[in-house]
Amino acid sequence: EAEVAQSPRYKITEKSQAVAFWCDPISGHATLYWYRQILGQGPELLVQFQDESVVDDSQLPKDRFSAERLKGVDSTLKIQPAELGDSAMYLCASSLADRGLYYEQYFGPGTRLTVT
Amino acid sequence: SQQGEEDPQALSIQEGENATMNCSYKTSINNLQWYRQNSGRGLVHLILIRSNEREKHSGRLRVTLDTSKKSSSLLITASRAADTASYFCATGPNTGGFKTIFGAGTRLFVKA
Repeated sequence: EAEVAQSPRYKITEKSQAVAFWCDPISGHATLYWYRQILGQGPELLVQFQDESVVDDSQLPKDRFSAERLKGVDSTLKIQPAELGDSAMYLCASSLADRGLYYEQYFGPGTRLTVT
Repeated sequence: SQQGEEDPQALSIQEGENATMNCSYKTSINNLQWYRQNSGRGLVHLILIRSNEREKHSGRLRVTLDTSKKSSSLLITASRAADTASYFCATGPNTGGFKTIFGAGTRLFVKA
């Protein structure tokens, strides 16, 4: 069964350092999502791509976070510089095309980030 | 802020009992989904109910939707220890955009 791949699974970094996460969605899924999940809370959407275009990044802290999906396939989320408050689980999900119609999202295992 | 709000925040039951979780939301929706998350893992989609549907079943899961009250419920019948997880409701793309918004979740613990 096809799965969403994420790496690394765990990352420990010092504050002010740069960190990057990678996501490979299910083949054929045009929509890719990055979520941040703080312990004890639900996922919060950071950025949503439709193919290589950003559909929504209203909750992305753009002064330190960036996301790209250059060829409309895999994606990278970067934080520079990392802050203590960025410690969280970063989840990637993908779904079929989402143009006003909803398709279920398939989630990867997540990357647990700890900033010290 | 998150749109979906689950109730209760935590639920502990015995194996074999039914578990009911509720979700309330604020704005109009096209659909509502329920997800499960085992500790430290990604989310798994359980069931989707569209705004023109009132009830939906999938195995031991039963979801209801009341758009007039802006609420939904998830019922897990004959619960098992393996059902121990966090359950989240999420509102799908609404009339104003494409964003999926998750609630804070209900933590279910099923005791064997």
